[in-house]
Amino acid sequence: EVQLVESGGGLVKPGGSLRLSCAASGITLSNAWMSWVRQAPGKGLEWVGRVKSKSGGGTTDYAAPVKGRFTISRDDSKNTLYLQMNSLKTEDTGLYYCITDGLTTVDGAFDIWGQGTMVTVSS
Amino acid sequence: SYELTQPPSVSVSPGQTASITCSGDKLGDKYASWYRQKPGQSPVLVIYQDSKRPSGIPERFSGSNSGNTATLTISGTQAMDEADYYCQAWDSRTYVFGTGTTVTVL
Repeated sequence: EVQLVESGGGLVKPGGSLRLSCAASGITLSNAWMSWVRQAPGKGLEWVGRVKSKSGGGTTDYAAPVKGRFTISRDDSKNTLYLQMNSLKTEDTGLYYCITDGLTTVDGAFDIWGQGTMVTVSS
Repeated sequence: SYELTQPPSVSVSPGQTASITCSGDKLGDKYASWYRQKPGQSPVLVIYQDSKRPSGIPERFSGSNSGNTATLTISGTQAMDEADYYCQAWDSRTYVFGTGTTVTVL
C-alpha cells in the first residue's frame, strides 16, 4: 500500500523559511512524478509545484505565486520528498499536501494524497 | 493565467442525478480530473482523463469533457456523496484546480 506522510509544518513569521518533508512507503519516489498542493483555511485547492520522475528528467515546475521562493527536491536514500519554502508570506498559510501524479492512473491526475501538514505564516 | 470555473453549490435529492460543471477556455483540448473532498479529509480522485474511474470509485460517478466544459455526473446520489468537488486540468508544465462546488444532498 502506498502511503505518504507529510511533516515539518508549523508557525513561522513573514519572511521566514520552512522545509516540509514527505516520507513515502510502498513506492520509490524517484520513479514517480510528485506534486505539492496547498489549501488555505476554508478555501479551495491550489497546485504549488511538481517534480518529474528520474526517468522523466527529474525537472521541476512551479506555480507563479511561489516560483523563485519554493524549491522541490528529493533524497532518494531516504525515499523522501521535500518542499523548501523561503521568503514566506501570510498568503502561504495553508494545509500542504504531498501527492503522487499519475502513479496508478495517468500523468496529470493526482491519485494518492497524504494527510497534509499545516503551515501558518503570521507575525 | 488559466482559470477553471465551477458553480459554488449544487443541491440534489437522494437518488437523483447531480451534475457539476467546470468551465475553462478550450478545456476539451485538455484532460480533466475530478476530486471529492469531505470535511476534514484529504481529497480523493474520482474521475481522471475526462471519464475514467480509479479503482474503488462507484459506477455512479461519470465524467465528460468537450468544448469549454467538463461535467461530473453523480447518478443515484447518496447521502455519502455530500462533499466538495474540484475539477482539475493540466498541460505539460502547470496544473489548475477549479473553484470548487459544494454538493448538498437534501
